Amino acid sequence: EPEVTQTPSHQVTQMGQEVILRCVPISNHLYFYWYRQILGQKVEFLVSFYNNEISEKSEIFDDQFSVERPDGSNFTLKIRSTKLEDSAMYFCASRSDRGRNEQFFGPGTRLTVL
Amino acid sequence: KQEVTQIPAALSVPEGENLVLNCSFTDSAIYNLQWFRQDPGKGLTSLLLIQSSQREQTSGRLNASLDKSSGRSTLYIAASQPGDSATYLCAVLPYTGGFKTIFGAGTRLFVKA
Repeated sequence: EPEVTQTPSHQVTQMGQEVILRCVPISNHLYFYWYRQILGQKVEFLVSFYNNEISEKSEIFDDQFSVERPDGSNFTLKIRSTKLEDSAMYFCASRSDRGRNEQFFGPGTRLTVL
Repeated sequence: KQEVTQIPAALSVPEGENLVLNCSFTDSAIYNLQWFRQDPGKGLTSLLLIQSSQREQTSGRLNASLDKSSGRSTLYIAASQPGDSATYLCAVLPYTGGFKTIFGAGTRLFVKA
């Protein structure tokens, strides 16, 4: 069964450093998403992406964040200058444009900012 | 603005009990509702997805119901086992708001052996 994959599973970085979180969505899906979950809190929406552009972003998704689909298979989330409060689990999701409108979630990347 | 609430926040039961987890949402205009399981520090495992036109879905010992008009869903776990211990998240995909899933805060379940 096709699945969304994410790498790395755990990333540790120093405050102020740039990080790139990678996702490989399901191959025929056209809609891509990033969510994050700070420890002990709700999973919250960050950004959605369709047709090579951002379709919606939350207030969390400020200028420090960017997304890209560099090569037709990967979908990346970049944080330019990490802060302590960026420490969280980041989930990628993808969705087809047909069928059950189901979002398929990846296993997540745990980001720890020291 | 869609909000998802889960009650109780935590639940501890002896092994073998049947139990019900509750989820409510404020706007009935949804495509679907999904129940996830999350183990500590881990990702999201999709358990059941109910389309807005459906009333319930079953998988093994799990049964999820949806009453869209009242904005409620329940997850029923039969004959609970210690391995069921985890956090259970309810999430809805609203019609409005650009296809972003809205999650509840979860119910932490502990099943005692």
